[in-house]
Amino acid sequence: EAQVTQNPRYLITVTGKKLTVTCSQNMNHEYMSWYRQDPGLGLRQIYYSMNVEVTDKGDVPEGYKVSRKEKRNFPLILESPSPNQTSLYFCASSFGPRDGSNQPQHFGDGTRLSIL
Amino acid sequence: SQQGEEDPQALSIQEGENATMNCSYKTSINNLQWYRQNSGRGLVHLILIRSNEREKHSGRLRVTLDTSKKSSSLLITASRAADTASYFCATGLRSFKTIFGAGTRLFVKA
Repeated sequence: EAQVTQNPRYLITVTGKKLTVTCSQNMNHEYMSWYRQDPGLGLRQIYYSMNVEVTDKGDVPEGYKVSRKEKRNFPLILESPSPNQTSLYFCASSFGPRDGSNQPQHFGDGTRLSIL
Repeated sequence: SQQGEEDPQALSIQEGENATMNCSYKTSINNLQWYRQNSGRGLVHLILIRSNEREKHSGRLRVTLDTSKKSSSLLITASRAADTASYFCATGLRSFKTIFGAGTRLFVKA
């Protein structure tokens, strides 16, 4: 089954304790992306990756790191989490742009992070 | 900065009625997509319209795009209770960033 898998689904942690949210897709997609969703703000893009070893900042990259060492995986790293990073996080993937146009994205089920 | 803004923020209709949601954006796009989200779940892609297209249909969905006004609309015809969800527009920029709006919450009463 084609899917984007995020882990963990829920996490409560404390300020400053490094954490990693993993994301894996089995569709051989080139494009992967992380978003955070906050009430009233919709989804905001944190980082995206066009392919292995290629990452770019989205609209809200501060406080986050990513890496793309393999095509299927795109982990999100919070080196020193703070309470303002409490949010619902989504990983998504798609085929790379075709004819200069983004492709439909497949989303994971989300990771709810609470940072105390 | 948020690119897409949906209007209305919330919409409540009776089953069988049509639902129309609007999206406005600010800069040049390569395409515009609509997604659906059931409460707290991941988003599901509904339809994509390219910047050189004006209208597209998929089942009960009809999407229009007016690049001169930087706006799009999503029409769901003959709505069903199962259409209750949040709907988001997403603009694909030439940098291949994706910008989502804040969404419209649709409630369809049976």
